[in-house]
Amino acid sequence: KAGVTQTPRYLIKTRGQQVTLSCSPISGHRSVSWYQQTPGQGLQFLFEYFSETQRNKGNFPGRFSGRQFSNSRSEMNVSTLELGDSALYLCASSSAGGALFGYTFGSGTRLTVV
Amino acid sequence: GNSVTQMEGPVTLSEEAFLTINCTYTATGYPSLFWYVQYPGEGLQLLLKATKADDKGSNKGFEATYRKETTSFHLEKGSVQVSDSAVYFCALSGKGGTASKLTFGTGTRLQVTL
Repeated sequence: KAGVTQTPRYLIKTRGQQVTLSCSPISGHRSVSWYQQTPGQGLQFLFEYFSETQRNKGNFPGRFSGRQFSNSRSEMNVSTLELGDSALYLCASSSAGGALFGYTFGSGTRLTVV
Repeated sequence: GNSVTQMEGPVTLSEEAFLTINCTYTATGYPSLFWYVQYPGEGLQLLLKATKADDKGSNKGFEATYRKETTSFHLEKGSVQVSDSAVYFCALSGKGGTASKLTFGTGTRLQVTL
């Protein structure tokens, strides 16, 4: 079966711009989580959506937002980009939410802010 | 809050050597514990998990035991292969409302040589 698909794979943006990343979960999965991975801070939880509702949120500024559609696809938006937002953004999906059910991660979107 | 500490890498081993990657955690209550692996250019894959004290997770020759008394979840493998070269992440999730959020360690890079 198809895995978690993230688009685009690579992105270069200019400071001050905004960006939207997309994640298509495994078919039937209703929970989608987003993580930021950087060399300095490691993997950090951004937020989780379940059935179109944000169920959990990490400690990121309001410039980071997300949403989930009725087909469980999710988008993440970052406004007013800063150089420090350069990172690998990973999306993970799960059938029922909760790490116990097993998260499947996508390959990520590598965002570079110049 | 929750945190995970794992040994610094890189760890360089010869093929067929014994592997140990140390992981300790700080958490309230009784978290679930995980090891994830990340191969170059890919997302994270769940390697194994344990949900309560004294549980042993195992997969592909890797093992880890949930030790509540020492708050540890060390990863071991009796005989590593070149194909095991990757970055290994220890992680935990809480229970209840925080069950969907994974807290990761900084990752340990393993390099296996012939």
